[in-house]
Amino acid sequence: AQSVTQPDIHITVSEGASLELRCNYSYGATPYLFWYVQSPGQGLQLLLKYFSGDTLVQGIKGFEAEFKRSQSSFNLRKPSVHWSDAAEYFCAVGPNTGNQFYFGTGTSLTVIP
Amino acid sequence: DAGVIQSPRHEVTEMGQEVTLRCKPISGHNSLFWYRQTMMRGLELLIYFNNNVPIDDSGMPEDRFSAKMPNASFSTLKIQPSEPRDSAVYFCASSLMQGARETQYFGPGTRLLVL
Repeated sequence: AQSVTQPDIHITVSEGASLELRCNYSYGATPYLFWYVQSPGQGLQLLLKYFSGDTLVQGIKGFEAEFKRSQSSFNLRKPSVHWSDAAEYFCAVGPNTGNQFYFGTGTSLTVIP
Repeated sequence: DAGVIQSPRHEVTEMGQEVTLRCKPISGHNSLFWYRQTMMRGLELLIYFNNNVPIDDSGMPEDRFSAKMPNASFSTLKIQPSEPRDSAVYFCASSLMQGARETQYFGPGTRLLVL
């Protein structure tokens, strides 16, 4: 069965520190992978996506993610976090066939001065 | 492009009342999705349409929920009668399905509170 796991419910980092948010997936075929960010009271905004090709993908706001097939992971990274990055982050997988997307439960990021 | 448009942005109603949420997808997109987000259950897919046809409504909680897409530019999600446990943020998303590759774009959501 297809699923997405975000092991960290909540992460706190200091402003300027590096960030890595974990995402593991279970998918029966070649996955298409996404990271979304949700600021308080807002909808989900697409940060980046992986379909094929280079396994390191660049997104908006200085984020990047690396697809590692051997580890079934698609971790999100940022070298230096800004206070405005505080938000909820969702990893998603799909679709290979059909339209079904599968979202993780989200990781809440707090940025401290 | 204006993105996915949802209305109303906020809705407060009393238990038993009918609630109608509206969504205008991005022009040219052929798939539309309704999600519900709560603290307890996270983001849940309720139903999705492809070319205005409902494809999978297995996520719809019960018969009180119904969704329609009369044309490519408009969809509604109706709850009748509403109950306090329906309180949540309801998101609409749309995408352009080209083969298997697509990206979903989300609206700002409708925050529903049923008293």
